[in-house]
Amino acid sequence: GENVEQHPSTLSVQEGDSAVIKCTYSDSASNYFPWYKQELGKRPQLIIDIRSNVGEKKDQRIAVTLNKTAKHFSLHITETQPEDSAVYFCAASNSEGGSQGNLIFGKGTKLSVKP
Amino acid sequence: KAGVTQTPRYLIKTRGQQVTLSCSPISGHRSVSWYQQTPGQGLQFLFEYFSETQRNKGNFPGRFSGRQFSNSRSEMNVSTLELGDSALYLCASSLVGHRDDTQYFGPGTRLTVL
Repeated sequence: GENVEQHPSTLSVQEGDSAVIKCTYSDSASNYFPWYKQELGKRPQLIIDIRSNVGEKKDQRIAVTLNKTAKHFSLHITETQPEDSAVYFCAASNSEGGSQGNLIFGKGTKLSVKP
Repeated sequence: KAGVTQTPRYLIKTRGQQVTLSCSPISGHRSVSWYQQTPGQGLQFLFEYFSETQRNKGNFPGRFSGRQFSNSRSEMNVSTLELGDSALYLCASSLVGHRDDTQYFGPGTRLTVL
């Protein structure tokens, strides 16, 4: 089945710097790759997602890139702010369920943005 | 639209007991998925329901079960609780549960087993 590896597990940056989180997946049939942000004690919130028919997607300071050949995708946050501090999870759709899917998650990256 | 809601938000149980958690999806969403979140294992898929039918199941023992009602609300049940069942249980809803549907999470139920 699908397996998702996420790196790094912790990331500390200065306010205004960029942050990059990388994920690799194993199932070449996966076609949907969301990123969630989870603040302490809160629900995971979708921040951006990408489907396998595109290679890059951007939403203000957040961008995601997808390399289907290498089976990896990355989250890029530019001009980081203290409120970006949270745990970020990548996920990939699992094709074993056929057309119905569930998400396989990475272990998460704890991002700390220092003022 | 109101978001995904879960009740109760917190539960404390003892080993051997059973527990029922409830999830109300976003209006119009017909698919509900359940996930277990723990510090060690992260977010793991439990099962997914659509039109009152379980369509997909993760690798959890039979003590974990669920159901979905005609209004798309879903419940999950854990019987014979073990210490290791302590976790945050999250449900997520999507329109029809296709594998490229966006899933929106509820706030979770924090279960503590003593």
